[in-house]
Amino acid sequence: EPEVTQTPSHQVTQMGQEVILHCVPISNHLYFYWYRQILGQKVEFLVSFYNNEISEKSEIFDDQFSVERPDGSNFTLKIRSTKLEDSAMYFCASSEGGGYGYTFGSGTRLTVV
Amino acid sequence: LAKTTQPISMDSYEGQEVNITCSHNNIATNDYITWYQQFPSQGPRFIIQGYKTKVTNEVASLFIPADRKSSTLSLPRVSLSDTAVYYCLVGPNSGYSTLTFGKGTMLLVSP
Repeated sequence: EPEVTQTPSHQVTQMGQEVILHCVPISNHLYFYWYRQILGQKVEFLVSFYNNEISEKSEIFDDQFSVERPDGSNFTLKIRSTKLEDSAMYFCASSEGGGYGYTFGSGTRLTVV
Repeated sequence: LAKTTQPISMDSYEGQEVNITCSHNNIATNDYITWYQQFPSQGPRFIIQGYKTKVTNEVASLFIPADRKSSTLSLPRVSLSDTAVYYCLVGPNSGYSTLTFGKGTMLLVSP
C-alpha cells in the first residue's frame, strides 16, 4: 500500500531556531497538506497545496510558516523561528482529489525547548 | 461545516461488534460522511466514506439513515489492535477539502 513518508520522526530544536519538516507524498497524488496535533488535542489543519501554490491556510499558518515543493517528490514545511507552542506532532497528508480519502504520514514530533 | 457529535469513549471486548454513532444534524446536501482511525503517535487513517444507505469495505460498515442526520460506524469482531480514536467527519466530497477533526471517540478493546 502506498505511503506518505515523513522525516525526521522526531525533531528537537531550540526556541527561535528554524526547522524544516520533510514529506514525500504518494507519487500520483495532486493535493498536499500539513496538519498538526498538540499533545492531547485535536488534529488541526494548517495548509493545503495544489498546483505549486497554497490553496488554503488556517489562522495557525502565519508568516512564520511556509511550504515548498522543491522537486517532484518532496513537500516541506518550514517554521522560521520556532516557539514553545509549536511543539506538536506534524502530519503531512496527500490525496488524489475527487472524493478519495487522505493518506496521512506517521508524523514528525517537534519538540521546542 | 456541519458539526458532529460522537461519544467521547467506548469500551468493548475482543470479538464483539462495535457500533459508534455520530450525529450531524446540520449536514448539507453535498456533504459526505467520512471516518478516520488514529492510533497513538500516528497519523489518522481513512476507514470509510459514504453518502447514504450502507457502505461496506474490508474493514468496516457505515450505516446512514434516510435523513442523514446521523451515521453509525460498525466494526465487526474487534480485536485489541482496534483500540484507537475514531473520528467522524462531514464535508464536501472532494479530496482537497479541508478536514475538520473533532475530539473523536476513544475505543478501548479489552481481552
